[in-house]
Amino acid sequence: GAGVSQSPSNKVTEKGKDVELRCDPISGHTALYWYRQSLGQGLEFLIYFQGNSAPDKSGLPSDRFSAERTGGSVSTLTIQRTQQEDSAVYLCASSLMGLGHSNQPQHFGDGTRLSIL
Amino acid sequence: AQSVTQLGSHVSVSEGALVLLRCNYSSSVPPYLFWYVQYPNQGLQLLLKYTSAATLVKGINGFEAEFKKSETSFHLTKPSAHMSDAAEYFCAVSVETGNQFYFGTGTSLTVIP
Repeated sequence: GAGVSQSPSNKVTEKGKDVELRCDPISGHTALYWYRQSLGQGLEFLIYFQGNSAPDKSGLPSDRFSAERTGGSVSTLTIQRTQQEDSAVYLCASSLMGLGHSNQPQHFGDGTRLSIL
Repeated sequence: AQSVTQLGSHVSVSEGALVLLRCNYSSSVPPYLFWYVQYPNQGLQLLLKYTSAATLVKGINGFEAEFKKSETSFHLTKPSAHMSDAAEYFCAVSVETGNQFYFGTGTSLTVIP
């Protein structure tokens, strides 16, 4: 499809395990964002990738969280040694973003619902 | 730095009544403003955006918003609520020289039959 694709759509895992969440952005979108949305809350910015530039990791809540974007396309968000407070919906978005394109909206995937038992 | 404030985390309206969801922004430079809607178990969908053209912006599903610089507001309205409008609504801001969007905390809209 033409939209942002996230997988898995749901993930249930035990506390202490590592998880990987995948995001496949819209083709040609140079910017990619990860957000966390806890139950009934707004969007918490996690990390931002723009082209080949160094990612903006300022929103990552701890060193258990990391993300990479290979080849400027697919991104993986990894949470190590998961804790119960990591339970949330993790949303990925892509856009034609960057200097001169800040008026372009973000396009969101449907998210990965992560539950830590 | 930019920020967005959405007044009212929950709004209830009767079916057929006016919908008004409030958004105020803070920005030292001209902003770009967006409204997104999120239905249960889905990601966010763009409703409309303001990018320095017309101050009254029309979006999908009959929604519109007006950029008022003097009030630093970008309130979302719809003349007549429909049951299908029940969802979470997010306001967001970005700027020309920036690389991030800043989202409000969202407003949950309930439509009463």
